[in-house]
Amino acid sequence: QVHLVESGGGVVQPGRSLRLSCAASGFAFSSFNMHWVRQAPGKGLEWLATMSYDGTYKNYAGSVKGRFPISRDNSKNTLFLQMNSLRTEDTAVYYCARDSTHGPAFDVWGQGTMVTVSS
Amino acid sequence: QLVLTQSPSASASLGASVKLTCTLSSGQSSYSIAWHQQQAEKGPRYLMKVNSDGSHIKGDGIPDRFSGSSSGTERYLTISSLQSEDEGYYYCQTWGTGIQVFGGGTKVTVL
Repeated sequence: QVHLVESGGGVVQPGRSLRLSCAASGFAFSSFNMHWVRQAPGKGLEWLATMSYDGTYKNYAGSVKGRFPISRDNSKNTLFLQMNSLRTEDTAVYYCARDSTHGPAFDVWGQGTMVTVSS
Repeated sequence: QLVLTQSPSASASLGASVKLTCTLSSGQSSYSIAWHQQQAEKGPRYLMKVNSDGSHIKGDGIPDRFSGSSSGTERYLTISSLQSEDEGYYYCQTWGTGIQVFGGGTKVTVL
């Protein structure tokens, strides 16, 4: 069964860092582009970052460019999001998602991990 | 600029149908979109991809009462025979050169 499981969330002070992980199982992780998406409390979905299946391509939303580098370890079927210089407005549930087998639509989502940035 | 517009809310009675609309920006009538469902306190769930010609590809296990269609820059999600578990938010998603965009979401209430 195809699964994505995020971890690494928690409560952190403004300016600090946090690293999120997304463990994949049930599919050939190294063949799929992967993404991070977040959802602030009571708000909609916001795409953050994309990494190609082989790690050679990355792209970011303006809100996190330069602060949240995305990476992956295909040998461990894991996607990462390094969150630096955190701000209170980064408080959200963070999801990882997979490109579908028929194009860029996200066809598998994780359950999310909550990040709270507060002093 | 890639923008998706959704109505904030929709409602229909148990067993009835509801049709949700996701509107692309002008000039983007050839774009495909995806629909995602988010029930309360859960992560999003992929429903289907809808192409500009109205064809759609559903995710695994998505019931037949969910269907997609298109007209111009509008993409639709129709839910027939509404069930209580269909309550929640529905988001559309599209993609451009290196970016992904979500609509603001439509909250569906089953009366």
